[in-house]
Amino acid sequence: SQQGEEDPQALSIQEGENATMNCSYKTSINNLQWYRQNSGRGLVHLILIRSNEREKHSGRLRVTLDTSKKSSSLLITASRAADTASYFCASGLIQGAQKLVFGQGTRLTINP
Amino acid sequence: EAGVAQSPRYKIIEKRQSVAFWCNPISGHATLYWYQQILGQGPKLLIQFQNNGVVDDSQLPKDRFSAERLKGVDSTLKIQPAKLEDSAVYLCASSSGGKERETQYFGPGTRLLVL
Repeated sequence: SQQGEEDPQALSIQEGENATMNCSYKTSINNLQWYRQNSGRGLVHLILIRSNEREKHSGRLRVTLDTSKKSSSLLITASRAADTASYFCASGLIQGAQKLVFGQGTRLTINP
Repeated sequence: EAGVAQSPRYKIIEKRQSVAFWCNPISGHATLYWYQQILGQGPKLLIQFQNNGVVDDSQLPKDRFSAERLKGVDSTLKIQPAKLEDSAVYLCASSSGGKERETQYFGPGTRLLVL
């Protein structure tokens, strides 16, 4: 399978705590993206980090990228109940148009 | 701006029957994708269109799946005949060209159950 792996598969934390999810991918990339999927819905793009970047922030999100290890992490700070969802990393390769290969996802549950 | 539209939202069929899904991408988006997402897994790309031409269909089971994007706008994905293992959510996504081509916008998906 071309799909990457995410760790952990499931994570349950208390509201206000930080959540960290890790992702490994298999091929060379142009960028690494994170998407969120609420139950029964489509995916929503969260953040993109390019292969020449090491860290990026967007609001409560912080993503890191280590191309030598083919890995990335997503940190959500000060978690909220509304952050409960599945989070997917996707390795992006641009060959004309963008092609994404998704990981298996991390199911995050924020307990009030 | 309207998002990616998909229909139907849910479909239940028996094995060996046929089914079709429809997708309307965001206006002006040249690239359209169909993904299959099996329960508990990440989406897997089935086919990618650039305007009305196929860019990548390497993971499309061509003996039973077909897709078209006439006029480079709407797209349909068909399964004929369906198998039990086709039970999944079928997601359509689109992206624009230029600097914004890296981000894909997803529709709500069609949940298919094959009995």
